[in-house]
Amino acid sequence: DIQMTQSPSSLSASVGDRVNITCRPSQGISNDLAWYQHKPGGAPKRLIYATSSLQSGVPSRFSGSASGTEFTLTISGLQAEDVATYYCLQHHHYPRTFGQGTKLEIK
Amino acid sequence: EVQLLESGGDLIQPGGSLRLSCVASGFTFMTYAMSWVRQAPGKGLEWVSTVSGSGTGTFYADSVKGRFTISRHNTKNTVFLQMTSLTVEDTAIYYCVKEFYSGSSYDYWGPGTLVTVSS
Repeated sequence: DIQMTQSPSSLSASVGDRVNITCRPSQGISNDLAWYQHKPGGAPKRLIYATSSLQSGVPSRFSGSASGTEFTLTISGLQAEDVATYYCLQHHHYPRTFGQGTKLEIK
Repeated sequence: EVQLLESGGDLIQPGGSLRLSCVASGFTFMTYAMSWVRQAPGKGLEWVSTVSGSGTGTFYADSVKGRFTISRHNTKNTVFLQMTSLTVEDTAIYYCVKEFYSGSSYDYWGPGTLVTVSS
């Protein structure tokens, strides 16, 4: 199984900050990675697919990238409404696996 | 507009069985693989199972293999998750999700249905 190591597990940042969340798979997954935002009481929402493609309707302050074996979700200019838990998902192999999640809070 | 709506969640005793349903609308159902993803209380997201568009291909997490069965009825735009031998570890919100395209990530999620396994 592919393990997704996501970091940090929690993060506190100020409005306007640039925030990075990373996922490192235990083996190669090509660009088969997506990022989700999950707010309490709601369903997860896809932000980024295929490593760096922005989901329609998602603000452009969200972006995805990869460098070597590490994948990164960046929020450029954090907003109060971005408070949520963020997950990466690899869909290169079964079983599909999510990262452990990053809980993002506002300072 | 794509919509997914789960039903069937309930309070069930350990060892019991339950069938979840998910009715889909707004897209050509038979064209897309469908999956179930769950979230246990205080835990992260966990992929549970996937069924191909035709229904002939199925995949399961090790944690549910042999106990859960995924299926679909394409003329009724419905996907099912039959759960047996339930344990307290199966307590979770179960989300029905649609794949963006075959083998891809999930672009639409239902609101979820709560399964509580407790004596």
